[in-house]
Amino acid sequence: GESVGLHLPTLSVQEGDNSIINCAYSNSASDYFIWYKQESGKGPQFIIDIRSNMDKRQGQRVTVLLNKTVKHLSLQIAATQPGDSAVYFCAEKGKAGTALIFGKGTTLSVSS
Amino acid sequence: NAGVMQNPRHLVRRRGQEARLRCSPMKGHSHVYWYRQLPEEGLKFMVYLQKENIIDESGMPKERFSAEFPKEGPSILRIQQVVRGDSAAYFCASSRADQETQYFGPGTRLLVL
Repeated sequence: GESVGLHLPTLSVQEGDNSIINCAYSNSASDYFIWYKQESGKGPQFIIDIRSNMDKRQGQRVTVLLNKTVKHLSLQIAATQPGDSAVYFCAEKGKAGTALIFGKGTTLSVSS
Repeated sequence: NAGVMQNPRHLVRRRGQEARLRCSPMKGHSHVYWYRQLPEEGLKFMVYLQKENIIDESGMPKERFSAEFPKEGPSILRIQQVVRGDSAAYFCASSRADQETQYFGPGTRLLVL
């Protein structure tokens, strides 16, 4: 069935390091992918998205990479800051529906 | 520009009572989505609505749950005869008709005693 998963439930990095959060998806028909950041007690906050006709997209300090061959999505955060500490979710959207399908999330902890 | 608004932020109900969760989409957004999040888990889709229409309710339990998005006013997610298993965070998201990006509200945390 359709599912989106993350490779690691937790990731700990030092302030200033680059962070890479990975996500594997199972539905090869998905054509839209999105990363959200969720801080404790808050709603998911949009970070960056990418369509299936692209393999890379950059934002401010963040880059999303899409490898359709192996159905893999990653979020790279440059110069990670303590304020980046949160749970990060990837989500996919299949062509047939309109709902986002979320993975379980990776908790990013940034230490000073 | 105000984001997606949800109220109440916290709601406590006893078993058997009704819960009403409200969501006001972002300005210019005509599509509303409801998701449920259990502790330590990702969000699960429940229902997708446009003004006065339910487009997709495939993720919503058949009994006790209903949703509406009237012509005027916020979208409402209604849970009748709540049970302890309904305790969760309920998030609303909205999007523009011509875009796929969904923006989320702060959520309503429902606790059923």
